[in-house]
Amino acid sequence: DTGVSQDPRHKITKRGQNVTFRCDPISEHNRLYWYRQTLGQGPEFLTYFQNEAQLEKSRLLSDRFSAERPKGSFSTLEIQRTEQGDSAMYLCASSLGDRGRDTPLHFGNGTRLTVT
Amino acid sequence: AQTVTQSQPEMSVQEAETVTLSCTYDTSENNYYLFWYKQPPSRQMILVIRQEAYKQQNATENRFSVNFQKAAKSFSLKISDSQLGDTAMYFCAFMIKAAGNKLTFGGGTRVLVKP
Repeated sequence: DTGVSQDPRHKITKRGQNVTFRCDPISEHNRLYWYRQTLGQGPEFLTYFQNEAQLEKSRLLSDRFSAERPKGSFSTLEIQRTEQGDSAMYLCASSLGDRGRDTPLHFGNGTRLTVT
Repeated sequence: AQTVTQSQPEMSVQEAETVTLSCTYDTSENNYYLFWYKQPPSRQMILVIRQEAYKQQNATENRFSVNFQKAAKSFSLKISDSQLGDTAMYFCAFMIKAAGNKLTFGGGTRVLVKP
């Protein structure tokens, strides 16, 4: 168990560019979550997957944001036409959700996005 | 919708002393979990302690304990014998068991342990 890993750790991009982040969850975890955290605030839920199915998306997730988890393992979060307001830490978490066996969320180190 | 409120933006405590962080939440659900997560500077968020709403007994994890008052919708965290490594942001979080284990976080309390 190597924990939740996210790549890259930091990303600096110019406004209007597209960016993609990757998250590798803990291997046996079937649920994967994306959160956004701005400086000094608590994380805000964006979306989550159970296996490959995207089960819920927050209203925070505008049309410029898309997330995938094609094989139920790693996930990608893409932001198109980035805006300065997208600058934040993007956190990925995973958990095991099963009847009678729910684990707490385990978080990765996050990807810090700076849009200039 | 569920909300989580942490009313203390910052707390300072001397090493070896005790500090208590407050958290209140609002929900109409009956089956839920409450959590405290710790986020050290530039490091990942880690789980400190978890409380199941149907359990009356307050959870404890070594130097960390909670005071869960279900009727008052209050969930405070007590850190005893504070250590320098406890310096971090602390987030209270709420989860409805039937809602995909999605967490709703409070705004956080910054704890500074002074030597």
